Amino acid sequence: DVKVTQSSRYLVKRTGEKVFLECVQDMDHENMFWYRQDPGLGLRLIYFSYDVKMKEKGDIPEGYSVSREKKERFSLILESASTNQTSMYLCASSTGTAVYNEQFFGPGTRLTVL
Amino acid sequence: KNQVEQSPQSLIILEGKNCTLQCNYTVSPFSNLRWYKQDTGRGPVSLTIMTFSENTKSNGRYTATLDADTKQSSLHITASQLSDSASYICVVTPLTGGGNKLTFGTGTQLKVEL
Repeated sequence: DVKVTQSSRYLVKRTGEKVFLECVQDMDHENMFWYRQDPGLGLRLIYFSYDVKMKEKGDIPEGYSVSREKKERFSLILESASTNQTSMYLCASSTGTAVYNEQFFGPGTRLTVL
Repeated sequence: KNQVEQSPQSLIILEGKNCTLQCNYTVSPFSNLRWYKQDTGRGPVSLTIMTFSENTKSNGRYTATLDADTKQSSLHITASQLSDSASYICVVTPLTGGGNKLTFGTGTQLKVEL
């Protein structure tokens, strides 16, 4: 079974703090994604990566950065957390480039910024 | 702009009853349409996938249908169980583009009661 794990299920941070969200997948997938999920909105793509040290902006990259130093690990960084970044953050991974390839999601990290 | 709209927003049914969830999309041309199930506090898990040439796909008590002409899909749940309580998300992938081009619906929140 594909397993995608995220470092924290719940996280509370203060405005201005630097926040790291970690994601690890164990299936040697090339592609990894970070989404945020807010009530009344569908999942929105923040950043994605198709290879080690490679990153591409998604639809809402402002205020975020990412790092992918190893194939299995994809980190989301909030350089200076703000209250509007309070959200559920979901990491996903998939293999190959075919559009049929299923994305496997982690359990999510619910981040609250005070 | 590509959109995916789901209805109803929420639904409560009695255990053992059937229900149908709707998904309308504007993504065109499109490659495939997936239904995901997201349990509370968990990441989404794929239930079914249909390409543009398929019009039905089953997974146990879940049956998805697709009408590419009207750009509508439905997810029918038969003999509902308490464990079906979850959010159901419709996701459409355009023909051009990879995993970074998915369009997510906002989901239907289903609650199954005794």
